[in-house]
Amino acid sequence: AQSVTQPDIHITVSEGASLELRCNYSYGATPYLFWYVQSPGQGLQLLLKYFSGDTLVQGIKGFEAEFKRSQSSFNLRKPSVHWSDAAEYFCAVRPYSGNTPLVFGKGTRLSVIA
Amino acid sequence: EADIYQTPRYLVIGTGKKITLECSQTMGHDKMYWYQQDPGMELHLIHYSYGVNSTEKGDLSSESTVSRIRTEHFPLTLESARPSHTSQYLCASSARTGGGNSPLHFGNGTRLTVT
Repeated sequence: AQSVTQPDIHITVSEGASLELRCNYSYGATPYLFWYVQSPGQGLQLLLKYFSGDTLVQGIKGFEAEFKRSQSSFNLRKPSVHWSDAAEYFCAVRPYSGNTPLVFGKGTRLSVIA
Repeated sequence: EADIYQTPRYLVIGTGKKITLECSQTMGHDKMYWYQQDPGMELHLIHYSYGVNSTEKGDLSSESTVSRIRTEHFPLTLESARPSHTSQYLCASSARTGGGNSPLHFGNGTRLTVT
């Protein structure tokens, strides 16, 4: 069955430190890939997406993600975390056929300490 | 910013009551979705629609029902609320064009508490 795995439930980083959130998927072909962020009490906001082309994609708020086909991964990164980045982050995939709903990972909660 | 609206924002209601959670979008999106989000953050798809008069059940069994009479409106109804329905409900929409590359746009959610 198709699935999305975010291995880290909760990550704590210091403000100014770098960040990497992991996401792995299990599909036969390259799916459409997305990262979303959810601030407390809010809906989800799209950070970035990938479906083809350059495997390093840039998103909003200084985030980037790299697609690695050999590892079936789509990890999210940020070089320097700000306190306002504390939120919940969701990886999501849609199979290449396109006409199916997104499948979300269980999310990673990011805490930022001074 | 995405133009998708959910009302009410918060709702506390007694067991056995009928409730309808409203979701409207002004983007002309054909596809709309309802997700239930548990306290552990995980999102569960409960209903979706790919157009007017089209509705499908999602992965999570739900006692709720939906309707899609107009493109912009996708309400979710619980005929008889129970404490197990206490959760956050998120509505989302996406465009038909762009195929699988179309992202979801989310509303801010309705936090439902059933006492």
